[in-house]
Amino acid sequence: SQKIEQNSEALNIQEGKTATLTCNYTNYSPAYLQWYRQDPGRGPVFLLLIRENEKEKRKERLKVTFDTTLKQSLFHITASQPADSATYLCALGASNFNKFYFGSGTKLNVKP
Amino acid sequence: GAGVSQSPSNKVTEKGKDVELRCDPISGHTALYWYRQSLGQGLEFLIYFQGNSAPDKSGLPSDRFSAERTGGSVSTLTIQRTQQEDSAVYLCASSSGLAGEYEQFFGPGTRLTVL
Repeated sequence: SQKIEQNSEALNIQEGKTATLTCNYTNYSPAYLQWYRQDPGRGPVFLLLIRENEKEKRKERLKVTFDTTLKQSLFHITASQPADSATYLCALGASNFNKFYFGSGTKLNVKP
Repeated sequence: GAGVSQSPSNKVTEKGKDVELRCDPISGHTALYWYRQSLGQGLEFLIYFQGNSAPDKSGLPSDRFSAERTGGSVSTLTIQRTQQEDSAVYLCASSSGLAGEYEQFFGPGTRLTVL
């Protein structure tokens, strides 16, 4: 099965800086990798999807990269704001597209 | 429009009792997923329904867990003879198609507490 590793330690940064979160996976490379945001007491909310043939994807202040050689995805938030404080989860599908695996998430704290 | 809804939002039960958790997906979504999230942990995949295909039940932790999806819409997750380790938030999500290729829309979850 797929194993997904995200930094379990919280990331604390100053407002205005760029936050970079890491997602590493083992085993096979997924066809798709997704990033979600989760606030306390809420379900995850979809942010970005990147395909294996895409190196980079952007959406407003968000950027995701996907390196299938390193088996790693990086998630960047530029010009971070306190409202960006949340837990960010990466997720990827199984090769048969039936199962979906989530990492345990990294908590981001953006301080004003 | 309406998102994914789940009921109840909170459920407290005694060890050994059976519980049913309900999920109403977004209308027209063919795929439906159940996950479990323990405190401070990531999401654990439980089961996946896609259209009329047989569900992928390989993530269910024991035979006390079962799920069904009626008419390709509403889904019910049943836990029989609940144990304290079943305490968690149970999340349901739906999407337009295959896992990974489409974003998943999550419900607010059901918080289950087994005393």
